[in-house]
Amino acid sequence: QSALTQPASVSGSPGQSITISCTGTSSDVGTYNYVSWYQQHPGKAPKFMIFEVSNRPSGVSNRFSGSKSGNTASLTISGLQAEDEADYYCNSYTTRNTRVFGTGTKVTVL
Amino acid sequence: QVQLQESGPGLVKPSETLSLSCTVSGDSISTYYWNWIRQPAGKGLEWIGRLHSDGTSISNPSLTSRVTMSVDTSKNQLSLRLISVTAADTAVYYCARGVGYTKFGGFASWGQGTMVTVSS
Repeated sequence: QSALTQPASVSGSPGQSITISCTGTSSDVGTYNYVSWYQQHPGKAPKFMIFEVSNRPSGVSNRFSGSKSGNTASLTISGLQAEDEADYYCNSYTTRNTRVFGTGTKVTVL
Repeated sequence: QVQLQESGPGLVKPSETLSLSCTVSGDSISTYYWNWIRQPAGKGLEWIGRLHSDGTSISNPSLTSRVTMSVDTSKNQLSLRLISVTAADTAVYYCARGVGYTKFGGFASWGQGTMVTVSS
């Protein structure tokens, strides 16, 4: 199974909004609303940010939001803050009953 | 809240078997789905596989022939075995619990990860 496609990097200034895309196929993102997102700071374990495309777990800031259109899911970070600088990964359930990660996106706060 | 702790040898020789454990505390291992995920240094996350507390499992098609996962409910522990390892298996290995009681939501809780190096 091929990794979902994410941009290698996205940047923005404090206070701005940025969007990270996650493109899959009809075998994963396009078929299921089971896309989740993870934030990873250097040397740390990933943190669960979004599940089922647009749901936030308890404790996750409402500055993080998710959406999906066709084979592409997106994570939007609004009111960008210095602490948001990290790597972000999407993940999807697949038609093979497996899961697949995105290639990862490095977010830089200018 | 649930806590996960991976453990195992930090160094494995090429062609040998990598064996890791994940000890779960703060909640029962039963009823949930559990996942293994790895990350080579400087690279992205790779899903290795998923198992349920009833022992059923499924793995990444690219690793199926080499992966075995098991659960010991009496010890609240998960295990991962990867045979015939090569340098390409060098990575930080994580265990993670699924969201709620389903296999669909993703990975809600993560261990801190354990580094495994494959080298002679």
